[in-house]
Amino acid sequence: ELKVEQNPLFLSMQEGKNYTIYCNYSTTSDRLYWYRQDPGKSLESLFVLLSNGAVKQEGRLMASLDTKARLSTLHITAAVHDLSATYFCAVDPNNAGNMLTFGGGTRLMVKP
Amino acid sequence: ETGVTQSPTHLIKTRGQQVTLRCSSQSGHNTVSWYQQALGQGPQFIFQYYREEENGRGNFPPRFSGLQFPNYSSELNVNALELDDSALYLCASSPDLQRGGETQYFGPGTRLLVL
Repeated sequence: ELKVEQNPLFLSMQEGKNYTIYCNYSTTSDRLYWYRQDPGKSLESLFVLLSNGAVKQEGRLMASLDTKARLSTLHITAAVHDLSATYFCAVDPNNAGNMLTFGGGTRLMVKP
Repeated sequence: ETGVTQSPTHLIKTRGQQVTLRCSSQSGHNTVSWYQQALGQGPQFIFQYYREEENGRGNFPPRFSGLQFPNYSSELNVNALELDDSALYLCASSPDLQRGGETQYFGPGTRLLVL
């Protein structure tokens, strides 16, 4: 059974600080997705990582994928309050099947 | 281009009843997946429909069933509701699977409460 583990589960940080969220998964996959969810809302796609070594950046967020280590990271640079949300990584074990297995989420709170 | 829409937004049912949730996929998308998200957890894959056929299924019992229509809209049916079925049900659409690696676009969800 595929397991996707995120850590930390909860992260409270000050504005302006940097931090990294980790996503480990237990099966071979070249496809990893990051989503953001605000309270009571649906999921918003952040990044799609499709190969080993893939790195994508959008604003203060940067995601990377190491398929050999089965690890993806989501790095936050100079956090701002608007980044407060829950972040999920998800793995597609069938590569292009889009039948995703999600991690448990990292709840991020950025304090002013 | 319209996004993914779901109806109803909220629903309250009692144990043992049946429920139907609906999803309209994004224009041009022929693949629809359904997920269940319990409070405080990540979404869990229920099943996926591709061109009106079930293309894959997660670890959910047969009382969870679905349909996809020629216009690629979809329904999720749950029979014999249990208290643990209370959750946010998310529908996601994506372009043709053959392209590979396309992101999924999630609808706003239907929040189901079973009493």
